[in-house]
Amino acid sequence: DAEITQSPRHKITETGRQVTLACHQTWNHNNMFWYRQDLGHGLRLIHYSYGVQDTNKGEVSDGYSVSRSNTEDLPLTLESAASSQTSVYFCASSQGPGTSSIDTQYFGPGTRLTVL
Amino acid sequence: AQTVTQSQPEMSVQEAETVTLSCTYDTSESDYYLFWYKQPPSRQMILVIRQEAYKQQNATENRFSVNFQKAAKSFSLKISDSQLGDAAMYFCAYTLQGGSEKLVFGKGTKLTVNP
Repeated sequence: DAEITQSPRHKITETGRQVTLACHQTWNHNNMFWYRQDLGHGLRLIHYSYGVQDTNKGEVSDGYSVSRSNTEDLPLTLESAASSQTSVYFCASSQGPGTSSIDTQYFGPGTRLTVL
Repeated sequence: AQTVTQSQPEMSVQEAETVTLSCTYDTSESDYYLFWYKQPPSRQMILVIRQEAYKQQNATENRFSVNFQKAAKSFSLKISDSQLGDAAMYFCAYTLQGGSEKLVFGKGTKLTVNP
């Protein structure tokens, strides 16, 4: 069955280190999204991509980067991890242009990141 | 900018009873989609129900239904015959029609189901 996976599920790192969170989907979806979830804020968009080689900044993009070299993967990189980036990170994907119904985002299981 | 407001941080319901979760949104657009997502303790975000703004008929999925009031910009979720497995955080979300726009989420409502 098609799915969207994230790895690792849990990560502890130190301030200043570079961290990459993986997201892989087998839906063959065009669109991919990264969100962070913090208490009192719901989910906030970090970066998103509408296709290979396309990336866009979201609401809270400072300190994060993404690259889209293929359809299936959108890794999220924290260039120099900060304690303020301790959060739960969700990847999502949606079909994008050409869909005949509501373009719905489907979410991965999340990665809990702790920056010490 | 579009915003989504969930005014009830927490709600509780007795098993087998009905509960309604509130959601309001602010937009100047006329064509958009609205969603309710459920997040159980496992953290997985699960789509519950979705609604196209141009449709007057309220969406229904088994025990879940919505009351969509476009003029009032209101999109409430009704859960009938509540079950223990319904206990979760519920998030209301909005996106522009067009198929590729980002979701804007409310801050969520924590639903407790009492046996």
